[in-house]
Amino acid sequence: DQQVKQNSPSLSVQEGRISILNCDYTNSMFDYFLWYKKYPAEGPTFLISISSIKDKNEDGRFTVFLNKSAKHLSLHIVPSQPGDSAVYFCAASAHSTLTFGKGTMLLVSP
Amino acid sequence: DAGVIQSPRHEVTEMGQEVTLRCKPISGHDYLFWYRQTMMRGLELLIYFNNNVPIDDSGMPEDRFSAKMPNASFSTLKIQPSEPRDSAVYFCASSLGTSGRGEQYFGPGTRLTVT
Repeated sequence: DQQVKQNSPSLSVQEGRISILNCDYTNSMFDYFLWYKKYPAEGPTFLISISSIKDKNEDGRFTVFLNKSAKHLSLHIVPSQPGDSAVYFCAASAHSTLTFGKGTMLLVSP
Repeated sequence: DAGVIQSPRHEVTEMGQEVTLRCKPISGHDYLFWYRQTMMRGLELLIYFNNNVPIDDSGMPEDRFSAKMPNASFSTLKIQPSEPRDSAVYFCASSLGTSGRGEQYFGPGTRLTVT
């Protein structure tokens, strides 16, 4: 049973608009959440994280929102750029390991 | 820093053959992870080490899979015998400090095809 779910396999957005990637989790013990970005033929790279004691973390164009009561987090990219086209993985941690979602492929068109 | 290094980048082998994947973590990192990525299951953790000691191998699918870390700069993941369902991309990652909080640095992956 998947503990971290990314229900949208893909998302298409126009350059300059907002991209919103969603992630749901089921394990209430998760207390730290991360987003990774992956380009083809490369390994995932860390993008942004958030602790469960916060509900928002911002880093430049990237903002992660956490709704603990709904067990939901989202990644907002504003404005979206063609270089943001990649697969985005949501990950959650309870203690020492990360549990990943299956990923959402984002395509930003010019 | 060269980052996490994995070899080979691509491996094609026949069913029943032994496959060995290699990983060199980032110098100074004390955690090392092996992941497998498939379309069906996404990115799943197979095993991880702390200071060269295996901590949790509950993600290793079968006894055909084994992993070692003889020293801080080298780890192997071995599949013997290999089967077509083992075809996937295998990633190695390393991190410093608390593994569940710190950023994990991934290698480029090894794409394994078993025919």
